[in-house]
Amino acid sequence: GNSVTQMEGPVTLSEEAFLTINCTYTATGYPSLFWYVQYPGEGLQLLLKATKADDKGSNKGFEATYRKETTSFHLEKGSVQVSDSAVYFCALSIGYALNFGKGTSLLVTP
Amino acid sequence: DTAVSQTPKYLVTQMGNDKSIKCEQNLGHDTMYWYKQDSKKFLKIMFSYNNKELIINETVPNRFSPKSPDKAHLNLHINSLELGDSAVYFCASSQGTGLGEKLFFGSGTQLSVL
Repeated sequence: GNSVTQMEGPVTLSEEAFLTINCTYTATGYPSLFWYVQYPGEGLQLLLKATKADDKGSNKGFEATYRKETTSFHLEKGSVQVSDSAVYFCALSIGYALNFGKGTSLLVTP
Repeated sequence: DTAVSQTPKYLVTQMGNDKSIKCEQNLGHDTMYWYKQDSKKFLKIMFSYNNKELIINETVPNRFSPKSPDKAHLNLHINSLELGDSAVYFCASSQGTGLGEKLFFGSGTQLSVL
């Protein structure tokens, strides 16, 4: 089936630390890959996406590269802020709908 | 203006009751979805409609019945509510159904079944 697996949380970091949230996928065909973010009490928002191998998605200092050889789409940010505290979801699509990972909660402390 | 709006935001009800959640999008999108998020934040697709036609119907009890009166609205009716239905339900929309489509989410309806 088509699915994503992402690292368990919660992840707790100090402000300005480096962030990596791992995501690997299993898919038939050639999926598009996404990271969505959910701030407390809100719906999900698209953070970034990549639609083909070797594409890099980036937004708000976050980056992720679509790696077909390792079936991965890890999320990174060089220096996190308190305002980045949220739940991050990796997702894939081969059409019709998104399949989400289980989410990784990130807490950034001052 | 809110792009995807769902009501109510909170819904507390007794087991066995029937309730509805409404969703409207003003983005002119063709496709709408219902997702369920459990207490561990796991999000699972329930239904998807494209131009009022059902295109995804995951393994969901038939107590859940979506209704799309037009492509801007997708409502969710739940009969005979059970404790396990307690969750946050998210409505979403997208322009189409193809690869790479961005989903726009509502802010969720927190359903608590007592």
